[in-house]
Amino acid sequence: GNSVTQMEGPVTLSEEAFLTINCTYTATGYPSLFWYVQYPGEGLQLLLKATKADDKGSNKGFEATYRKETTSFHLEKGSVQVSDSAVYFCAPQSGNTPLVFGKGTRLSVIA
Amino acid sequence: SQTIHQWPATLVQPVGSPLSLECTVEGTSNPNLYWYRQAAGRGLQLLFYSVGIGQISSEVPQNLSASRPQDRQFILSSKKLLLSDSGFYLCAWSDQGYTEAFFGQGTRLTVV
Repeated sequence: GNSVTQMEGPVTLSEEAFLTINCTYTATGYPSLFWYVQYPGEGLQLLLKATKADDKGSNKGFEATYRKETTSFHLEKGSVQVSDSAVYFCAPQSGNTPLVFGKGTRLSVIA
Repeated sequence: SQTIHQWPATLVQPVGSPLSLECTVEGTSNPNLYWYRQAAGRGLQLLFYSVGIGQISSEVPQNLSASRPQDRQFILSSKKLLLSDSGFYLCAWSDQGYTEAFFGQGTRLTVV
């Protein structure tokens, strides 16, 4: 089955710092890749996605590029804000299988 | 547009008591439905999913069960709660074909 490995958090950054959250995956077939975000006390929201190799998903200043050769989908943002503090989840999806999530990465941005 | 409703938002239950969490989806038909649990330090764990009425797949053997009595209704149940059932329960739906999932606001369950 599919699986994902994310960097362990928590990640603590100062406002306007550059963010990278690493994600590598294993999946059957040719997966779609997703990043979800969970703000405190809420459910998950889709942040961005990519469906084929070299696609770049982007939203709210976040970006991630589908790297098939390294089976990676790292999340980046050039300048984080306090409001970006949340837990971030990477997830692959392929075939007739549900999304599989890892432990997530908690990001704390301090002013 | 599609919406997903999950309730209650918080729940405190004694050990040994029953549980029923309900989730409904509006604005779509024949969705895939999912129950996930998020426990401290353990990430997001898929518990059950359903591709149609009466069709339930269980991912993790445990003290819980799920049912889908109607197309857009998904219920998570337990006959006797354990302390280890505490966590944040999330319902989600996706179109057939397992595309991206859309999540409810979650239920915080504390078993005491």
